[in-house]
Amino acid sequence: KNEVEQSPQNLTAQEGEFITINCSYSVGISALHWLQQHPGGGIVSLFMLSSGKKKHGRLIATINIQEKHSSLHITASHPRDSAVYICAVGDTDKLIFGTGTRLQVFP
Amino acid sequence: EAGVAQSPRYKIIEKRQSVAFWCNPISGHATLYWYQQILGQGPKLLIQFQNNGVVDDSQLPKDRFSAERLKGVDSTLKIQPAKLEDSAVYLCASSPRSDYGYTFGSGTRLTVV
Repeated sequence: KNEVEQSPQNLTAQEGEFITINCSYSVGISALHWLQQHPGGGIVSLFMLSSGKKKHGRLIATINIQEKHSSLHITASHPRDSAVYICAVGDTDKLIFGTGTRLQVFP
Repeated sequence: EAGVAQSPRYKIIEKRQSVAFWCNPISGHATLYWYQQILGQGPKLLIQFQNNGVVDDSQLPKDRFSAERLKGVDSTLKIQPAKLEDSAVYLCASSPRSDYGYTFGSGTRLTVV
């Protein structure tokens, strides 16, 4: 069993839909990261969370430390949101990555 | 603030050839990471530097991979000789300290044929 599990693995949506991507982890962490990876390969850091909730534009990330679970929400999804979203958990100075959720948003 | 710079963006080589990747982290970031991401998988840490010292290289295939970070700034990752299974995206990331956020570069996509 992977230490970081994401669901779903693949997700398709129509423009405007509300998107939720889930991440569960089994290790103790100091922080959880949500990353976005576009087809070219580069990774952009979206959020770093250690508790509660963060919001940036149409993106919202939440974390429940007791349940070892985090969610990334995208409101009013847009085709430009199409990417792979990766959850990574940090233990001191190391990151453990999930395998990612591939999101495709169609017009 | 300038991001993490990586070059080249793409590289195609034949197996048994050598290749080198370059990374310039954000100025002042002490920690630098090289990751290998094979298609469909999450990134795997190859090596972590703190300034110019190696903190973790336990997953670096040392028979063919080498990395250095001279003067604690730029870093190069070399593969010699390359194998087909080395085809992947190689990502560089830096952080001001180990418990702070990471900034990733745009990656180098390597194809070994």
